Amino acid sequence: GDSVTQMEGPVTLSEEAFLTINCTYTATGYPSLFWYVQYPGEGLQLLLKATKADDKGSNKGFEATYRKETTSFHLEKGSVQVSDSAVYFCALAPNSGNTGKLIFGQGTTLQVKP
Amino acid sequence: DVKVTQSSRYLVKRTGEKVFLECVQDMDHENMFWYRQDPGLGLRLIYFSYDVKMKEKGDIPEGYSVSREKKERFSLILESASTNQTSMYLCASSFRDRSYEQYFGPGTRLTVT
Repeated sequence: GDSVTQMEGPVTLSEEAFLTINCTYTATGYPSLFWYVQYPGEGLQLLLKATKADDKGSNKGFEATYRKETTSFHLEKGSVQVSDSAVYFCALAPNSGNTGKLIFGQGTTLQVKP
Repeated sequence: DVKVTQSSRYLVKRTGEKVFLECVQDMDHENMFWYRQDPGLGLRLIYFSYDVKMKEKGDIPEGYSVSREKKERFSLILESASTNQTSMYLCASSFRDRSYEQYFGPGTRLTVT
């Protein structure tokens, strides 16, 4: 079945460091891909999305490119801030109609130190 | 701003109790979802609903039921709580035509002893 795999955390970086959080997926057809973020004590929020191959999603300085050839959707940011400390979830929507069913990865915790 | 609220942030119940988790959204969303979040497993879908009185099983519905009598409210019911249902429960909602852009509540951490 469809699945999402994220790199293990926690990831600990200093402020202004470059961030990469790896995400790979297994799916039939052409899924849509998402990154959600969960700040401490809050619910998840949609961070960015990409709906077809080679699309780049971006928001708040974060970017991710839908790579069908490597089945990946890695999250990147050029310069992280302490306020980026959160749990990041990669997710896919199977290409089987607009059901709303999302498949999430296990989440990667990011800690940014001043 | 979209707001999804959940009735409790923390809840402690005993094994065998019937447990109700309530979720309310204020954006007139057609879709509502219940997930559980466990370390190392991410989020897993329990049930979802496209409309009032409609429900669909997610990936892990066993031991749970749901109720949606009003558009804005979606309840998760644990008929007889067990210790393996100790978890963080997240409610979400979305518009029907943007079903993957989901808005989440802050979660209810349920402990079953």
